[in-house]
Amino acid sequence: DTAVSQTPKYLVTQMGNDKSIKCEQNLGHDTMYWYKQDSKKFLKIMFSYNNKELIINETVPNRFSPKSPDKAHLNLHINSLELGDSAVYFCASSQRSRPETQYFGPGTRLLVL
Amino acid sequence: AQKITQTQPGMFVQEKEAVTLDCTYDTSDQSYGLFWYKQPSSGEMIFLIYQGSYDEQNATEGRYSLNFQKARKSANLVISASQLGDSAMYFCAMRGPITGNQFYFGTGTSLTVIP
Repeated sequence: DTAVSQTPKYLVTQMGNDKSIKCEQNLGHDTMYWYKQDSKKFLKIMFSYNNKELIINETVPNRFSPKSPDKAHLNLHINSLELGDSAVYFCASSQRSRPETQYFGPGTRLLVL
Repeated sequence: AQKITQTQPGMFVQEKEAVTLDCTYDTSDQSYGLFWYKQPSSGEMIFLIYQGSYDEQNATEGRYSLNFQKARKSANLVISASQLGDSAMYFCAMRGPITGNQFYFGTGTSLTVIP
């Protein structure tokens, strides 16, 4: 059983488009995260959601918007995609009481042309 | 400001040998957490080990141990008896303060295990 899943695994799109990446976890966790990993492998947290409340927004452009329909899902919507958005995006989840133990999804490789 | 530094972009180790991956951190918080993740070529992130700033004993998880030196602000990962499957990127990260949800990751160290 997949603990944290993301779709799609690969996403190639044109500059200016709007796209969404979906994330689902079946671990019963109450906190979910989105990370961006750039071409140099640097990993940066973008958002975390706990009980549908946004906890962190690390100076991410407002073109990025997380949407959590329920505790098991945290989708990432990106408007007006730019070349610099090309990266691997990871979803993760944890229990709020143990955020150090995060379970990551397989990643979504986004390429903006 | 919080900061994680991994000074070794790439490391090589002979199979069955031990290897130490360096990590130093900078924080003004009194309580914080340090952890290591592994990212194999397939791309997923795998949690390895965690150390709380008030933990007196160094954390160990199987072949992984964390050499925590609080005064030096270092949290090095030691992998004993390296295996070919250990070849991957390794990320050091910090949660600070310990009750918060701010995570800071280093730039990673690429480990290659040589047969």
